[in-house]
Amino acid sequence: DGGITQSPKYLFRKEGQNVTLSCEQNLNHDAMYWYRQDPGQGLRLIYYSQIVNDFQKGDIAEGYSVSREKKESFPLTVTSAQKNPTAFYLCASTPDRGRGDGYTFGSGTRLTVV
Amino acid sequence: AQSVAQPEDQVNVAEGNPLTVKCTYSVSGNPYLFWYVQYPNRGLQFLLKYITGDNLVKGSYGFEAEFNKSQTSFHLKKPSALVSDSALYFCAVSFSGNTPLVFGKGTRLSVIA
Repeated sequence: DGGITQSPKYLFRKEGQNVTLSCEQNLNHDAMYWYRQDPGQGLRLIYYSQIVNDFQKGDIAEGYSVSREKKESFPLTVTSAQKNPTAFYLCASTPDRGRGDGYTFGSGTRLTVV
Repeated sequence: AQSVAQPEDQVNVAEGNPLTVKCTYSVSGNPYLFWYVQYPNRGLQFLLKYITGDNLVKGSYGFEAEFNKSQTSFHLKKPSALVSDSALYFCAVSFSGNTPLVFGKGTRLSVIA
């Protein structure tokens, strides 16, 4: 079945550590996105990529980094510069840079700082 | 700047009654409007979208939404609510379809048996 796989489902980070969240899709979608979800704040865009080897900052990119070396993969690294990383992280994809198509979402990764 | 507002954090409705979840948007141009639903600890699932054409859009699970350009609204509706409709609902907007979706803060729907 085609879809988006996010791993791990739960992740614990110690203070000062970098952690990487995985997002893989087998939908042959061009565009991929990372959103952060906090209670009462909805989804906020971290980074997005509309084509391989290119990506753009979203509204809350500080403290995060991404790469897009392959069409099917868009990993997100939460660096130690992100002071409040505890949140639910959602990856999404869409064909052909959006153009009115809805997003397909992964099941999310819940990151907790310990 | 583009934005979308969901004025209600919580909507409570009795099972069998009609439900409405409100959404308004701010735009300079023609919006692409979407509704998504989220169940606990899961990703978002697509319900329906408006791009152009008929202002009443029908989607999954018996939901529909009405696009009102003059009021810049895109309210989600269902004639008869089910307990299983209880979830978090997000309205989202893209402008020209070529920009990332901007999401509202979400509305928690609780359907009471």
